[in-house]
Amino acid sequence: GQNIDQPTEMTATEGAIVQINCTYQTSGFNGLFWYQQHAGEAPTFLSYNVLDGLEEKGRFSSFLSRSKGYSYLLLKELQMKDSASYLCAVLDSNYQLIWGAGTKLIIKP
Amino acid sequence: GAVVSQHPSWVICKSGTSVKIECRSLDFQATTMFWYRQFPKQSLMLMATSNEGSKATYEQGVEKDKFLINHASLTLSTLTVTSAHPEDSSFYICSAKLAGESAEQFFGPGTRLTVL
Repeated sequence: GQNIDQPTEMTATEGAIVQINCTYQTSGFNGLFWYQQHAGEAPTFLSYNVLDGLEEKGRFSSFLSRSKGYSYLLLKELQMKDSASYLCAVLDSNYQLIWGAGTKLIIKP
Repeated sequence: GAVVSQHPSWVICKSGTSVKIECRSLDFQATTMFWYRQFPKQSLMLMATSNEGSKATYEQGVEKDKFLINHASLTLSTLTVTSAHPEDSSFYICSAKLAGESAEQFFGPGTRLTVL
């Protein structure tokens, strides 16, 4: 079966750095997405990785290792507004998005 | 660019009534639109994939006669929840995919449905 694993909840301090991990087992791989979702709102796109390595975009970076079936989202200089759920999703061989359950990130002052 | 709207934002209805939710791509043509359902504290669950001009492809366990999907144009898809029941209360989100090779999905703001 297809499976995406990410921690249920994480807590971090404002101004700090946090890494949210995602491991996946899917039938085929055509890329991995990270989305941010605030409570009661739709997800918003953060990053897309299809090749191994680190993609940096401002305070957010995303890393992918296809051989390990592993990705992480790195958030630097945390702000209170970063409190949200972070969803990992993999595009499988049928170009279907397989979603993780999301990681709720709580930022404390 | 790539803005997707949904209407209504929220709806409250009585059990047994039908509710229609619209999903529009405002500034691009979407050959493929997706309908998701999200229960509290859970991830997105894909309900169906809708391609313009053809029948929707439903995920296993989703009743196609209960959740009617119409993708009549390149900018509009509708989801009708027929004979809604309290267990259908959820957050319904649509997304649209640009024609071509881009894999990114652009999400609408969601519709919160409450069935009394």
